[in-house]
Amino acid sequence: DVKVTQSSRYLVKRTGEKVFLECVQDMDHENMFWYRQDPGLGLRLIYFSYDVKMKEKGDIPEGYSVSREKKERFSLILESASTNQTSMYLCASSLMGTGNQPQHFGDGTRLSIL
Amino acid sequence: EDQVTQSPEALRLQEGESSSLNCSYTVSGLRGLFWYRQDPGKGPEFLFTLYSAGEEKEKERLKATLTKKESFLHITAPKPEDSATYLCAVTSEETSGSRLTFGEGTQLTVNP
Repeated sequence: DVKVTQSSRYLVKRTGEKVFLECVQDMDHENMFWYRQDPGLGLRLIYFSYDVKMKEKGDIPEGYSVSREKKERFSLILESASTNQTSMYLCASSLMGTGNQPQHFGDGTRLSIL
Repeated sequence: EDQVTQSPEALRLQEGESSSLNCSYTVSGLRGLFWYRQDPGKGPEFLFTLYSAGEEKEKERLKATLTKKESFLHITAPKPEDSATYLCAVTSEETSGSRLTFGEGTQLTVNP
């Protein structure tokens, strides 16, 4: 079974802090993704990566950056946290393909910025 | 731009009362349509992938079907443990690689 592990289930940080969210997958997947999920807005893609050291912007990259130094690990960084970044953050991974491979998700990190 | 619309937003069923959830999509060249189940406070759990019109997939009480414009998730004789939000997503030739476009989901409640 695919396992995507997010480092924290709940996290509370203060405005202006630099926040790191970590994600590890154990299936040797090439693709990794970061989403945020908010009521009424659904799942929105922040960043994704097709390979080590590769990254591409999703639909809402502003205020975020990512790092992928190893194939199995994909980090989301909030450079200077703001209250409007309070959300559920979900990491996913998938095999490389022609868009026909399902993404597998972690259980999410519920982040609160005070 | 790919678009996915799910209906209804919420659905309440009695245990054993079969029904269907709808996912309508507009894409330029469908590559895959995906169904997920999401329980409160958890990440989406992958259920099915459908690739071409006419295709069907089944798992326990769930059956997913696909036409050129929409997909249905049929739930036969549901049980309370089927209560969850069901998400539909697509990939297409227009979007790069495995990028998913999600609908907003249908929240299903099955009462005992």
